[in-house]
Amino acid sequence: EDQVTQSPEALRLQEGESSSLNCSYTVSGLRGLFWYRQDPGKGPEFLFTLYSAGEEKEKERLKATLTKKESFLHITAPKPEDSATYLCAVHILMDSNYQLIWGAGTKLIIKP
Amino acid sequence: KAGVTQTPRYLIKTRGQQVTLSCSPISGHRSVSWYQQTPGQGLQFLFEYFSETQRNKGNFPGRFSGRQFSNSRSEMNVSTLELGDSALYLCASSLNGAPYEQYFGPGTRLTVT
Repeated sequence: EDQVTQSPEALRLQEGESSSLNCSYTVSGLRGLFWYRQDPGKGPEFLFTLYSAGEEKEKERLKATLTKKESFLHITAPKPEDSATYLCAVHILMDSNYQLIWGAGTKLIIKP
Repeated sequence: KAGVTQTPRYLIKTRGQQVTLSCSPISGHRSVSWYQQTPGQGLQFLFEYFSETQRNKGNFPGRFSGRQFSNSRSEMNVSTLELGDSALYLCASSLNGAPYEQYFGPGTRLTVT
């Protein structure tokens, strides 16, 4: 069964304390992996797309990496405004159409 | 550039009623997708419309339907509402079609009593 698991469920960090969020997947035929952030009361905001193992993307304090089994979202020297829920979604093909499988998210809290 | 807009933002309905939600995509985007988000199930895909045609559909009952107009605006309709339909309904627009780089609206919070 195709599955996407995010860990940890929640993460509390001090401002400036770097860490990583994990998105592991067991799917057949990965077409791409997406990272989004979602603030309370808002829709998800697109961050990155990764297509193949070894690929890396960066944006400000965030860096996303991809292996054949998982993706990491590294947060360097985070600030309170980085607090949000981070969602990953895996793109696969099923019955000649696309399917997007979403993880449950990691709630990140950055304390000043 | 204006973002994705959804109306209404909040809605309270009674079980058995029907509801229509509206979504206006980013200008130039021809793809609109609809999602249901709940604390227990997370984000679940409802359907995608691209240039007025339904391109993909998730595993939701036929009570959930949608359409897209020639200006790319989309509506989602839920008939015979059930308590379990209470959720945040999100629409997302995409330039090249889902699932690539989707831009989400703020959502419509539907409460069914």
